[in-house]
Amino acid sequence: EAQVTQNPRYLITVTGKKLTVTCSQNMNHEYMSWYRQDPGLGLRQIYYSMNVEVTDKGDVPEGYKVSRKEKRNFPLILESPSPNQTSLYFCASSLSGRPGEQYFGPGTRLTVT
Amino acid sequence: AQKVTQAQTEISVVEKEDVTLDCVYETRDTTYYLFWYKQPPSGELVFLIRRNSFDEQNEISGRYSWNFQKSTSSFNFTITASQVVDSAVYFCALIEYYGNNRLAFGKGNQVVVIP
Repeated sequence: EAQVTQNPRYLITVTGKKLTVTCSQNMNHEYMSWYRQDPGLGLRQIYYSMNVEVTDKGDVPEGYKVSRKEKRNFPLILESPSPNQTSLYFCASSLSGRPGEQYFGPGTRLTVT
Repeated sequence: AQKVTQAQTEISVVEKEDVTLDCVYETRDTTYYLFWYKQPPSGELVFLIRRNSFDEQNEISGRYSWNFQKSTSSFNFTITASQVVDSAVYFCALIEYYGNNRLAFGKGNQVVVIP
């Protein structure tokens, strides 16, 4: 089954404790992105990757890091989480040249206290 | 850069009423895709429809219908005979074909269907 998976689905952590949210897709997609969703703001892109070892900033990259060492994985790293990073996070993927076919993960609800 | 505006924030309707959600977009590209997503209280994003910029046909799917008007840069969504299960947040989004694969989302419409 074609899918994008995210782990963990729910996470409560404390300020400053490094964490990683994993994202994996099984469709051999080149493009992967991370979005965060906040009330009243919709979803905003954090980082995106056009292929292995190619990543770039989206609209709200501050406080986040990503890596793309393998095509299927695109982890989101919060080196020193802060309460303003409490949000709902979504990973998405698509094939190169097929931006109209976006696949979203189920979301990760992160709370930073 | 592309932009999507959903002006209404929360809309409450009584069950069986129709509800229309407005979506206005901005883009300089001539090739783009428009989407509507539903987000129920459980939080996942449920894909509803995709339209490319060359296809202005309106679409109906059950109680859902969409009206795409390039002349006014709008892609409105109507739920006919609303039901309690339609209570959710609905997002309109746009992606440019030659962009950085960034989906630009509107801020969402919270639809509350009152039984």
